[in-house]
Amino acid sequence: EPEVTQTPSHQVTQMGQEVILRCVPISNHLYFYWYRQILGQKVEFLVSFYNNEISEKSEIFDDQFSVERPDGSNFTLKIRSTKLEDSAMYFCASSGMTGNQPQHFGDGTRLSIL
Amino acid sequence: AQSVSQHNHHVILSEAASLELGCNYSYGGTVNLFWYVQYPGQHLQLLLKYFSGDPLVKGIKGFEAEFIKSKFSFNLRKPSVQWSDTAEYFCAVQRSNDYKLSFGAGTTVTVRA
Repeated sequence: EPEVTQTPSHQVTQMGQEVILRCVPISNHLYFYWYRQILGQKVEFLVSFYNNEISEKSEIFDDQFSVERPDGSNFTLKIRSTKLEDSAMYFCASSGMTGNQPQHFGDGTRLSIL
Repeated sequence: AQSVSQHNHHVILSEAASLELGCNYSYGGTVNLFWYVQYPGQHLQLLLKYFSGDPLVKGIKGFEAEFIKSKFSFNLRKPSVQWSDTAEYFCAVQRSNDYKLSFGAGTTVTVRA
């Protein structure tokens, strides 16, 4: 079964540094998402992306965050200047030809800000 | 704001016992409903989904869920659990005119052999 892959599995970064989390969605999917889960809290929606632009973003997704699909396979989440409270598990997901098809998730990247 | 509530934080049960996990949501419009499972060290996997039609939906690994619109509920059930069902279970809701998922807090299920 096709999978969503995320790299790295764990990223440790100093506060104030930029970090890029990478995702390779399922190849024929058109809708892409980032979610995050702070330890002990709910999985929260960050952003959705379709047709090379953001289709929706949450309040969490402020100016420090950006997403990009630099080529036909990768989907990245950049945090420009990390804060301690950005420490979380970040999940990438993708879904198929329409946005309300089930979303398939990657294994996540654990981001630790020191 | 839309919210999703899962009633149990941690459920512990023995093999062959029946399992029911509660999920309620607050949004009043048309919704799509999902249960995801996360086995230790693995990614979120779709167990089952409800979009429309028969409110009793069957998923993988013997799980089923019932959508009760009047109660805004989508409870997950399995008649007889196995040790391998030990995992964290997440209910998620998607509005029909929206694509993002809103998740419940998750329920950790521990099945003792």
